[in-house]
Amino acid sequence: AQSVAQPEDQVNVAEGNPLTVKCTYSVSGNPYLFWYVQYPNRGLQFLLKYITGDNLVKGSYGFEAEFNKSQTSFHLKKPSALVSDSALYFCAVRDVNNYGQNFVFGPGTRLSVLP
Amino acid sequence: DAGVIQSPRHEVTEMGQEVTLRCKPISGHNSLFWYRQTMMRGLELLIYFNNNVPIDDSGMPEDRFSAKMPNASFSTLKIQPSEPRDSAVYFCASSLGGSGTEAFFGQGTRLTVV
Repeated sequence: AQSVAQPEDQVNVAEGNPLTVKCTYSVSGNPYLFWYVQYPNRGLQFLLKYITGDNLVKGSYGFEAEFNKSQTSFHLKKPSALVSDSALYFCAVRDVNNYGQNFVFGPGTRLSVLP
Repeated sequence: DAGVIQSPRHEVTEMGQEVTLRCKPISGHNSLFWYRQTMMRGLELLIYFNNNVPIDDSGMPEDRFSAKMPNASFSTLKIQPSEPRDSAVYFCASSLGGSGTEAFFGQGTRLTVV
């Protein structure tokens, strides 16, 4: 069975500084990895995904993520954080199993960007 | 496309009452997911459908919960009878077929059972 861990409940960063939100995964087959963001009282919004190919994936709002197969990680990064990036971030993995295509989400990491 | 549409956005009901949550997926999507989000348990998958057929309902808490997808453009999640511990935000999401495709989420239904 697949699983996702986000080791930090909360990440604080100053505006303009680089940010990293960590994610590690466990999956038996090929990992398809996703990042989502959730703003207050809103649904989850898709940011980016890794399917295959280049390990560095670029997504919406200047975010990118690096897939590292040996470390089973898919950390979300941004070179310069904005206050408006403050939100809840979810990493997810999808695997083809006997049941078909199911998403498994991590517990979420709350990012606070301080002005 | 208007995205995934859920109704109602907010629902307050008394314990013991039946609650029905509704979802219209994005046209052309053939996978539909129901999730529940709480502070204590985070985001939990309740059930998902592929081509209108329930594939995995192992996340449905108990027999009080049921979900249907009578056609490709509509799904319901019903709780009968509702209990205070069912209070949560319920999300519906849809995606195209294929495990490399992302899911698109609705705005959610905030359910409060008093």
